Amino acid sequence: NAGVTQTPKFQVLKTGQSMTLQCAQDMNHEYMSWYRQDPGMGLRLIHYSVGAGITDQGEVPNGYNVSRSTTEDFPLRLLSAAPSQTSVYFCASSHTIPDGRNSPLHFGNGTRLTVT
Amino acid sequence: TQLLEQSPQFLSIQEGENLTVYCNSSSVFSSLQWYRQEPGEGPVLLVTVVTGGEVKKLKRLTFQFGDARKDSSLHITAAQPGDTGLYLCAAPPPLNAGGTSYGKLTFGQGTILTVHP
Repeated sequence: NAGVTQTPKFQVLKTGQSMTLQCAQDMNHEYMSWYRQDPGMGLRLIHYSVGAGITDQGEVPNGYNVSRSTTEDFPLRLLSAAPSQTSVYFCASSHTIPDGRNSPLHFGNGTRLTVT
Repeated sequence: TQLLEQSPQFLSIQEGENLTVYCNSSSVFSSLQWYRQEPGEGPVLLVTVVTGGEVKKLKRLTFQFGDARKDSSLHITAAQPGDTGLYLCAAPPPLNAGGTSYGKLTFGQGTILTVHP
């Protein structure tokens, strides 16, 4: 029962470097999303996807790209890392049955990213 | 973006005490979820409340959804050290918001609870 798997668990980048945070789920959930968690600010939505080939922006999308080529995978790309992107990143998935609007999120264990 | 105000931000109590965490908004929601997060892990769902005035119990935890579906509370009776963690409330977009709502939960700032033995 893997659920939502995120890799890596920790990453240190220098300003300007790029990287991809990986996320995979094995629950056949249609919806996947990326959040960042900063002290005192809860979790803020970066990007989300309602199915393969469909993505949209959340509350704080700048500096991040996503794609959804399969139901299982939803990678998050940082094109040119900045210190403001230092955060803990969580990937989450949810199902649509019986009530997609109120479906709970299933989270991975996060990636702690530091940009120096 | 609707705002979910959670209070208090920090709670430090002794084992056996009772506590209440509040989650308030000016928006009306179709539901509200409560999550608990431990260090190094992702949030885990505790409960979803859907009906105005609804009360749900999970052992020593009691969750209530306001009659107007704008607020919720989490009450813990006789807290134990194992209750220590970050508690988060979350809600989907308000009922009058356009566009898709799936997977687009908004979270409160969280309440960090520490229960001392």
